[in-house]
Amino acid sequence: NAGVTQTPKFRVLKTGQSMTLLCAQDMNHEYMYWYRQDPGMGLRLIHYSVGEGTTAKGEVPDGYNVSRLKKQNFLLGLESAAPSQTSVYFCASRTDRVGYGYTFGSGTRLTVV
Amino acid sequence: AQTVTQSQPEMSVQEAETVTLSCTYDTSESDYYLFWYKQPPSRQMILVIRQEAYKQQNATENRFSVNFQKAAKSFSLKISDSQLGDAAMYFCAYRSEETSGSRLTFGEGTQLTVNP
Repeated sequence: NAGVTQTPKFRVLKTGQSMTLLCAQDMNHEYMYWYRQDPGMGLRLIHYSVGEGTTAKGEVPDGYNVSRLKKQNFLLGLESAAPSQTSVYFCASRTDRVGYGYTFGSGTRLTVV
Repeated sequence: AQTVTQSQPEMSVQEAETVTLSCTYDTSESDYYLFWYKQPPSRQMILVIRQEAYKQQNATENRFSVNFQKAAKSFSLKISDSQLGDAAMYFCAYRSEETSGSRLTFGEGTQLTVNP
């Protein structure tokens, strides 16, 4: 099925460990986004990309890095995980055509202990 | 920067009744879209309804309708004939058409409970 796939779905990390979250979309969308969801704070934008090879900072970029080497993939990296990065992470994508909506992945629950 | 505020962390409604979820936003832009998303326990983000700022007419999708007050920067969601399946977290979101990237800015969310 066409859509946005996030891997892994769950992960527990120890403080200081690193990991990469993968987002893959098969809809040829130009725009891709990484959000984090925390209770009482909604979804906040971490980083986004408007096309292959581009990335930009969102609202809460500190502690994260991203890469968009291929149009269909958007990677979110945590170099040295901290307990404050315990959250649910959502990837989303969108075409650049006017009037079209967003497709969200099913989320990754990350716990940093 | 744009901000979106949902002042009701929790709401409840009886099955078959009507409930209204509030959302206000702050922006200096004139061209934008507003959205309501539903997030059930499965965590999937589901688009409920969308409103284009330049359209005067309030959007409607079956039992879901909005009251869009552009001057007041208010965008409430009305759910009529509430069903048990409507129980979820609801997010209001804003998208600028004047800045690059088509980024969504979300409110804090309102947890809706539907009582049988």
